[in-house]
Amino acid sequence: NAGVTQTPKFQVLKTGQSMTLQCAQDMNHNSMYWYRQDPGMGLRLIYYSASEGTTDKGEVPNGYNVSRLNKREFSLRLESAAPSQTSVYFCASRPGQTLTEAFFGQGTRLTVV
Amino acid sequence: QQQVKQSPQSLIVQKGGISIINCAYENTAFDYFPWYQQFPGKGPALLIAIRPDVSEKKEGRFTISFNKSAKQFSLHIMDSQPGDSATYFCAARTGFGSARQLTFGSGTQLTVLP
Repeated sequence: NAGVTQTPKFQVLKTGQSMTLQCAQDMNHNSMYWYRQDPGMGLRLIYYSASEGTTDKGEVPNGYNVSRLNKREFSLRLESAAPSQTSVYFCASRPGQTLTEAFFGQGTRLTVV
Repeated sequence: QQQVKQSPQSLIVQKGGISIINCAYENTAFDYFPWYQQFPGKGPALLIAIRPDVSEKKEGRFTISFNKSAKQFSLHIMDSQPGDSATYFCAARTGFGSARQLTFGSGTQLTVLP
């Protein structure tokens, strides 16, 4: 009963380094999302994937890339990390057509120094 | 540009009291309004949701009130308990089918004192 699994849970990067945040869901959901959460700003959508093979920009896509590797996995890549990308990142998934809303992972706390 | 405005930012309530969190929106394309509850170190979890053709929805101690004409909705937590202490986010949904997206409010940190 894993749901949405994110790795790693914590990461410290130096400015300019790159890394990939991994997300996998075992609920056979079509849609997957990456959000960032910053104090006083709620959750803001970075990228989403409505179905396997498709990705679209959200509200704050700059500095990020994504890959929908298959139906289960949706990764978020920071090519050249900046201090402004210090945040908590959440992956979420939801079924395609129903009214059921998103299920979230436990988050990755990223610090860029 | 914050499409969903949430208030207050923080709220302290005594055990047994009523907690009220308010949200307002501008985009009339929003078609579904969920509330999420988040405990420290955890991801948000769906708490309760309402469609805009309904004025109120109640699940246990949690009630959503929805005012379509005013473009406002609120979460009421009756008989608040210390275990309700968490951050609450309102959200609003747009889009169709698999392309639906959620826009979140800024969050309210609720503390229920024993």
